[in-house]
Amino acid sequence: AQRVTQPEKLLSVFKGAPVELKCNYSYSGSPELFWYVQYSRQRLQLLLRHISRESIKGFTADLNKGETSFHLKKPFAQEEDSAMYYCALSDTRPGANSKLTFGKGITLSVRP
Amino acid sequence: NAGVTQTPKFRILKIGQSMTLQCTQDMNHNYMYWYRQDPGMGLKLIYYSVGAGITDKGEVPNGYNVSRSTTEDFPLRLELAAPSQTSVYFCASSSSAQSYGYTFGSGTRLTVV
Repeated sequence: AQRVTQPEKLLSVFKGAPVELKCNYSYSGSPELFWYVQYSRQRLQLLLRHISRESIKGFTADLNKGETSFHLKKPFAQEEDSAMYYCALSDTRPGANSKLTFGKGITLSVRP
Repeated sequence: NAGVTQTPKFRILKIGQSMTLQCTQDMNHNYMYWYRQDPGMGLKLIYYSVGAGITDKGEVPNGYNVSRSTTEDFPLRLELAAPSQTSVYFCASSSSAQSYGYTFGSGTRLTVV
């Protein structure tokens, strides 16, 4: 069965500090991975996808198949980055209908 | 540009009552999903649909029912509310090309007392 593990529940950093939100996955096929963000009292929104290899709001994430990881990184945290972050894995096997499995999420708190 | 719309935003139910959480999308997405979000537990898939007339169970379907009579609408029904169903419920949709990710609704916060 596929699984997404976010080992930490909370990360608190000062403004300007580097951020790394960890995500590990377990999946037998070729993974499609995402990071979603939920700001206070707002809906979840897609932050980035591994296949696009893009940088959104200064965040990047690289898929490491050897370590089965998809860690989210930002070199200099901003206060507006404070939010809940979810790592998610899409089940791409035939017939699986691309359902997303989410990790438990991590709260990022950026202090001034 | 409404995206995914959920109603109501908040609701308090008594044990044993029933209700329907509404979800509608205007993006012509084939795929729709219902998740519940509980503190420290992440999001769990309740039910999903790959098109009108087709629904299937997710990870935690017990106590819920769904229907998909149109592409736009995907209501979630609670027949006999229980305290364990106190949660925040999110509806989401996606195109068949899953690599574009989900679009989420704003959520329904349900409390069962």
